Amino acid sequence: GESVGLHLPTLSVQEGDNSIINCAYSNSASDYFIWYKQESGKGPQFIIDIRSNMDKRQGQRVTVLLNKTVKHLSLQIAATQPGDSAVYFCAENVSGGGADGLTFGKGTHLIIQP
Amino acid sequence: EAQVTQNPRYLITVTGKKLTVTCSQNMNHEYMSWYRQDPGLGLRQIYYSMNVEVTDKGDVPEGYKVSRKEKRNFPLILESPSPNQTSLYFCASTPERGGGYTFGSGTRLTVV
Repeated sequence: GESVGLHLPTLSVQEGDNSIINCAYSNSASDYFIWYKQESGKGPQFIIDIRSNMDKRQGQRVTVLLNKTVKHLSLQIAATQPGDSAVYFCAENVSGGGADGLTFGKGTHLIIQP
Repeated sequence: EAQVTQNPRYLITVTGKKLTVTCSQNMNHEYMSWYRQDPGLGLRQIYYSMNVEVTDKGDVPEGYKVSRKEKRNFPLILESPSPNQTSLYFCASTPERGGGYTFGSGTRLTVV
């Protein structure tokens, strides 16, 4: 089964509000996590990443939180804008793993209400 | 502009007719991968390459071939396409193992 998953398939928020997208992973050996954004008709776009030696990392309007104790990852988007509407994927990787490649969750569709 | 370029963007073909989807990256990345994306199944890795002439299977390699004769190119080959290979395909590259991938814009393949 999937080693990385998302709690909600769709999340609807008001423009200007903050949004939080959650992700659970089951492989405790995973040590690198990424959030991707995929807009309709486009490929996944890198947003932010975090390594397992960190709990929090901030970018421009985005923050990723990692809780290794409960194997939980979240993406916070501040002051959401219409352009934030997309599907968001979390992905994990294991450094030095036998196969190279990210394992993706199924995605959360973020809808920004005007 | 740093990018991964796939061609074609859209392709409709018939069962059994060999096809190749090209992928090229201009970032001098060592690692390249092919993924397919299907509703309800998310993104799944087909094949990956760690460098020139070094390739290996991902999670769903059946029915696909790849080659890596040059660092920048990583074509995906379907020798005998079948309808279950109808999907959205993405090529991606990264400079380091376990790193974040840069994705192409995708190739939507329909096999009838």
